[in-house]
Amino acid sequence: QKEVEQNSGPLSVPEGAIASLNCTYSDRGSQSFFWYRQYSGKSPELIMSIYSNGDKEDGRFTAQLNKASQYVSLLIRDSQPSDSATYLCAVILMNYGGSQGNLIFGKGTKLSVKP
Amino acid sequence: GAVVSQHPSRVICKSGTSVKIECRSLDFQATTMFWYRQFPKQSLMLMATSNEGSKATYEQGVEKDKFLINHASLTLSTLTVTSAHPEDSSFYICSAQNRGRGTEAFFGQGTRLTVV
Repeated sequence: QKEVEQNSGPLSVPEGAIASLNCTYSDRGSQSFFWYRQYSGKSPELIMSIYSNGDKEDGRFTAQLNKASQYVSLLIRDSQPSDSATYLCAVILMNYGGSQGNLIFGKGTKLSVKP
Repeated sequence: GAVVSQHPSRVICKSGTSVKIECRSLDFQATTMFWYRQFPKQSLMLMATSNEGSKATYEQGVEKDKFLINHASLTLSTLTVTSAHPEDSSFYICSAQNRGRGTEAFFGQGTRLTVV
């Protein structure tokens, strides 16, 4: 099983809809979870971090964490065409060979918001 | 968020030459820096991880003699692509993490390398 898994997409949603992006991770002991956004040709930028079970809201973004299910998601409300990008899930894995504490990325989900 | 500056943003070099890319954390101490490579329409590929003052740890399949990484200070890491070839053309991105301050990593702007 890969350490951090995401559906590669593309996920296509109409403008104004809710986009739901999902991520699962393998290490039950992980404590820190992040969502990054990467526009084409640019480097990733951090948009959300979450450390506790439940929901964390920041503007139109909501991160949801369920440690029991080893699942973290990102909801984007009122999706806009400018939200079209690849969204990367990242996890600090506690047991990853000799690199405990490093940030491990999923391969990303490409989101397309249609006007 | 914290600022990580990567330079140059674009470089074109001749085959056989070496290219150095710098990654600086401007407002925090980067205990760990990561170097990634990304080909068009593909996902980030971790090349190596470096901790300040230590030798870098390279991912499987990445040639340490070709991609030289130096992390001599808490604010600077460099990646040198030695004897570059056209197949080394890619988007190289660094990220920096301070495990003492927080656990998130911040990315540099990336360097687009073209080897002709």
